[in-house]
Formats: sequence, C-alpha cells, structure tokens
Amino acid sequence: EAAVTQSPRNKVAVTGGKVTLSCNQTNNHNNMYWYRQDTGHGLRLIHYSYGAGSTEKGDIPDGYKASRPSQENFSLILELATPSQTSVYFCASGDPWGANTLYFGAGTRLSVL
Amino acid sequence: AQSVTQPDARVTVSEGASLQLRCKYSYSGTPYLFWYVQYQRQGLQLLLKYYSGDPVVQGVNGFEAEFSKSDSSFHLRKASVHWSDSAVYFCAASPNYGGSGNKLIFGTGTLLSVKP
Repeated sequence: EAAVTQSPRNKVAVTGGKVTLSCNQTNNHNNMYWYRQDTGHGLRLIHYSYGAGSTEKGDIPDGYKASRPSQENFSLILELATPSQTSVYFCASGDPWGANTLYFGAGTRLSVL
Repeated sequence: AQSVTQPDARVTVSEGASLQLRCKYSYSGTPYLFWYVQYQRQGLQLLLKYYSGDPVVQGVNGFEAEFSKSDSSFHLRKASVHWSDSAVYFCAASPNYGGSGNKLIFGTGTLLSVKP
C-alpha cells in the first residue's frame, strides 16, 4: 500500500490553462514537498509545507502555488501553465524529527502543449 | 552555496562487476547524506543514509556507501551488480539536525546501465 499517492499520474494541459496536481500521504508526516525532475537538473524543490495551512517557497517557486488543506493532502497549482513547466513532478513527505528521510510518490508526468 | 555533485551522468557496467557511483558535496558542516534509487517511471526510494559514526553505511540489496569528510564525498559501492540494479541513482544532502524542514539538496543523478 503506497504511503504517498499522487494524482493524476499523467496529464496533458494546454498553455494558459490551470493545472492542479494532488498528493495524499498516509505517513502522518508533518512535512510535505513538491519537486520537479528534469534531465540535467536532478530534483528541484518548488514548494513545501510544515503542516496543515502552511506553505513555503522552495528554490524554484515562480509560476507555482501550493495548498495544504490538511495533514494528508498537499496540492501543486499551475494557474497559467506554460510549456516550460513540462516535467515530472514528485511529491514527498517527511518527519521533521526523522533525520530528514523523505518518502516519495510515484510521480506525475505533465506535458503542457 | 550548498551543492551536491554527481560527476558521472551515465555509468555502464557488466553484470557481476563491481560498481562505484561518485558523489561530492559542498556543505557548511557535516550534512546528513543519502542515496536514493529511481527505477523506471517510479518514485525515489531510499537506499541508505549517513548521519554520524561509522563512515561506511550499509543499505538495501548489497549497496554500501562511504563518507569521507576530508574528501567531501559519499560514494556508493556494490561488489557485484545485477541487471535489476539498472536505474537512476541520486545522492542528496540535508542539514544535520532534526526539525530543519528536511530540505534535501539533490545531485543531478547517475543513470546506471547493467549489461547482461
């Protein structure tokens, strides 16, 4: 049973459209993260959260918003999607007192046309 | 600036051969260090982690890594690879204290291809 679940797994969006990527975790971790993965860049942190109601900017937040309505759920929102946001997005959860180990979802492959 | 460097984008080895994947870090102090593996079209899975103490840490599936403070390195090793080890391997670092927000810095990854 997957502890971090992302939906959708694949998404095709149009330029200028709104995209919402969802993440649910059953680890009861306070911290959650959104990363994007691109060839040559590895994983880069977009937004993260310390708990319900909190969102923080990561290293590349421009063009993205995040929402953490509950302990379990963390969404990434692209209000006006652009082709440069075509990527694979990973959600992760972590226990802040668990020596920084992260647990990842299977990823969402987003194509913006 | 803090960074993690994996100098080899791609490594190809024959099945049964030994393996070393390189990782160098640039960090103030001694960070926590991790190796994650990503099998095709899957999320990242933790292989092993170093916090302190014995510089050689053991992970799953026969993998181990050695921390070197003098060399700022955390290389991953395996004595005999199997075709199923083909994957992308990521080295990562984070601050060495809990409650820090778990903000990991990842290297760019090394694609390991194991030839039969």
